Amino acid sequence: KNEVEQSPQNLTAQEGEFITINCSYSVGISALHWLQQHPGGGIVSLFMLSSGKKKHGRLIATINIQEKHSSLHITASHPRDSAVYICAVSPGNQFYFGTGTSLTVIP
Amino acid sequence: DVKVTQSSRYLVKRTGEKVFLECVQDMDHENMFWYRQDPGLGLRLIYFSYDVKMKEKGDIPEGYSVSREKKERFSLILESASTNQTSMYLCASRTGQGGYTFGSGTRLTVV
Repeated sequence: KNEVEQSPQNLTAQEGEFITINCSYSVGISALHWLQQHPGGGIVSLFMLSSGKKKHGRLIATINIQEKHSSLHITASHPRDSAVYICAVSPGNQFYFGTGTSLTVIP
Repeated sequence: DVKVTQSSRYLVKRTGEKVFLECVQDMDHENMFWYRQDPGLGLRLIYFSYDVKMKEKGDIPEGYSVSREKKERFSLILESASTNQTSMYLCASRTGQGGYTFGSGTRLTVV
């Protein structure tokens, strides 16, 4: 049983395209996180959300608490956005992680 | 910026060896975590600690132990390494309900 489901698992896009990654979860949460992992690298926290929407540069994250769903959008995608994007939820002290979405942006 | 430092990026060990993975954070975070990451399985929690000398089992503690003698350091120990423990190991820390800060990961290969 997966508390966090992400889709799609893999995504290939042309440079400049608008990208959406979805995350659905089944537990009550205090916050939802979007993380980014570059190949061979550590993980960087992009957003922490408990309601509404947050924007950072070309990245936008939204959350609908009632529907237990979040989306990560990338506008004007660039090859340097190529990474694995991971959704994580925290009902309390622990986190539950999605298996990640591997994004490749082609020039 | 909080830093979480893992002592090795790449490690190759032999089956049966005792392996120590070290993690140090520099921002006085109470909570520290060890995860392993495998393709298709995502991040799985091995152990976490919410204070010095305190530890809690995560989802997959078998074959591992941990040590937290000082607040800034959380060590993961593979008592007798096996090939199925070949994986990427990630340490993280957080304070209260804040976000996670992850280390760069240690890719361990057991041969």
